[in-house]
Amino acid sequence: RKEVEQDPGPFNVPEGATVAFNCTYSNSASQSFFWYRQDCRKEPKLLMSVYSSGNEDGRFTAQLNRASQYISLLIRDSKLSDSATYLCVVNQGGKLIFGQGTELSVKP
Amino acid sequence: NAGVTQTPKFQVLKTGQSMTLQCAQDMNHNSMYWYRQDPGMGLRLIYYSASEGTTDKGEVPNGYNVSRLNKREFSLRLESAAPSQTSVYFCASSDRGGQGANQPQHFGDGTRLSIL
Repeated sequence: RKEVEQDPGPFNVPEGATVAFNCTYSNSASQSFFWYRQDCRKEPKLLMSVYSSGNEDGRFTAQLNRASQYISLLIRDSKLSDSATYLCVVNQGGKLIFGQGTELSVKP
Repeated sequence: NAGVTQTPKFQVLKTGQSMTLQCAQDMNHNSMYWYRQDPGMGLRLIYYSASEGTTDKGEVPNGYNVSRLNKREFSLRLESAAPSQTSVYFCASSDRGGQGANQPQHFGDGTRLSIL
């Protein structure tokens, strides 16, 4: 079993749609959690940290369920510029473990 | 504001050649990391350095060596390149690693390495 698993992609959605990405992790001792965004052939960039209480940043909402070892990312009102690969990332003992990523394509 | 700088950006090697990938950060971060990214595999940690003077193996260290030259610089060396090491290599840094770390990482823009 992979340490961090994400929904298989790609997700193809129209502009304005709401899309949700799911992620599970296997190590219950994981300490912190992030969503990164990676554009084609570019470096990953931090999108947002994920807190136990859930957190929101504009159109993006991240949730963490430690009991189920589950992380989610919700994007509302999708924009063309949201097209990218979204990486679920888990911190285990100071090392970041990356999921394979879920590709999102937002169409006009 | 450079952040994390990697050199070179592109490189083609022949099997058996050696080379060193350079990485430098100007954010005064303690921890630095080397990853490789292959299609369908996500990013995999090769080596990391939690602080100046320390290095540790990651998930896929075989065939690589690293040097934490000083707080700013962390290099990755391929002693005898193999086609299986064809990949995109990313260097990253963060303010603090180790147990209890909760700091995101900042990435360089990658080195695309092809080994023939």
